Amino acid sequence: GNSVTQMEGPVTLSEEAFLTINCTYTATGYPSLFWYVQYPGEGLQLLLKATKADDKGSNKGFEATYRKETTSFHLEKGSVQVSDSAVYFCALVYNQGGKLIFGQGTELSVKP
Amino acid sequence: DTAVSQTPKYLVTQMGNDKSIKCEQNLGHDTMYWYKQDSKKFLKIMFSYNNKELIINETVPNRFSPKSPDKAHLNLHINSLELGDSAVYFCASSHDSHTGELFFGEGSRLTVL
Repeated sequence: GNSVTQMEGPVTLSEEAFLTINCTYTATGYPSLFWYVQYPGEGLQLLLKATKADDKGSNKGFEATYRKETTSFHLEKGSVQVSDSAVYFCALVYNQGGKLIFGQGTELSVKP
Repeated sequence: DTAVSQTPKYLVTQMGNDKSIKCEQNLGHDTMYWYKQDSKKFLKIMFSYNNKELIINETVPNRFSPKSPDKAHLNLHINSLELGDSAVYFCASSHDSHTGELFFGEGSRLTVL
């Protein structure tokens, strides 16, 4: 079946460090891929998305590129801030299917 | 003006009780969802409605019953609460049932004692 796997957390970084959170997926066909972010005590918010191979999604300094050959959608940011501390979820959906499937989430903690 | 609002935000109750969580969206979306988030932050879809019609019904005990009186509302009723029902329940909505762009409420934390 379709699934999403993320790197285990928690990830702890110092401010201004480079961030990578790995995400790989298993799916038949060509899903759309997403990153959602959940700040403490809040609901999830869409961070970025990519709908086809080689697309790059970007928002708030975060980027992720849809890599079909490696079935990956890794999240990166060049310089993290304390305010980026949150749980990050990778997810996929088929345009025909409608069911958003989430990875297990990766907690990021950024220290000053 | 909150886009997706859920009430109550916190709910503490005894085993065996019946409780409801309400959800409303003012985005004009056609599709609404209930997700359950466990203590390890894992998110699992429970139900999805499109224009008041049930379109996704995951393997959820019969004690959970969603109700959508109109496309702006999706309520969740839980009968005979069990300890394992303790979780954060998130309501979400989307423009249609094929997009992955969901708007989430702030969550309702249910604690069953």
